[in-house]
Amino acid sequence: KQEVTQIPAALSVPEGENLVLNCSFTDSAIYNLQWFRQDPGKGLTSLLLIQSSQREQTSGRLNASLDKSSGRSTLYIAASQPGDSATYLCAVWGSGYALNFGKGTSLLVTP
Amino acid sequence: DGGITQSPKYLFRKEGQNVTLSCEQNLNHDAMYWYRQDPGQGLRLIYYSQIVNDFQKGDIAEGYSVSREKKESFPLTVTSAQKNPTAFYLCASSTELNRGDTQYFGPGTRLTVL
Repeated sequence: KQEVTQIPAALSVPEGENLVLNCSFTDSAIYNLQWFRQDPGKGLTSLLLIQSSQREQTSGRLNASLDKSSGRSTLYIAASQPGDSATYLCAVWGSGYALNFGKGTSLLVTP
Repeated sequence: DGGITQSPKYLFRKEGQNVTLSCEQNLNHDAMYWYRQDPGQGLRLIYYSQIVNDFQKGDIAEGYSVSREKKESFPLTVTSAQKNPTAFYLCASSTELNRGDTQYFGPGTRLTVL
């Protein structure tokens, strides 16, 4: 069964720092990997989707990379802002018909 | 605005009651999903539907039931057989049951058993 792990579980940084969130998965036979943002008590917002044939995707200050062979993805956030404070979830499409999610990284950016 | 709506936002249930959570989408998506989220945990799949009148069990379907009579609607019933139903429930949809598609999520329903 696909296992998705996110490190660290929680992270606190001062505003303006660049930061990296990590995601690892046990089965490299994936179709794609997605990064989501979740604000407290809210639904999920899709940030980036990387197809298995791609190495990275960028959107604004966000950059996600994928190394399928090693089972790893990173989400890079440049010049962090207090509005970036949220939980970030990594999920992979594997052999099943739905996403397998990690437990998330809770990010706090302090002014 | 296109999107997914879930109602109610908060729901309280007494022991032994069945409750139904609503999920509606106007994105013209064929595939719909129900996930459960517990504190500090990732999302777990309850049921999914590829098309009207068709649905399949996910990883934790016991104690839950669904219907898909209309493309836009995918209600979830939490039955009294569900031993620990207190959780945050999220509905999602995608254009089709295709592993390349982005899933779009609703705002969620928080269910509490009294």
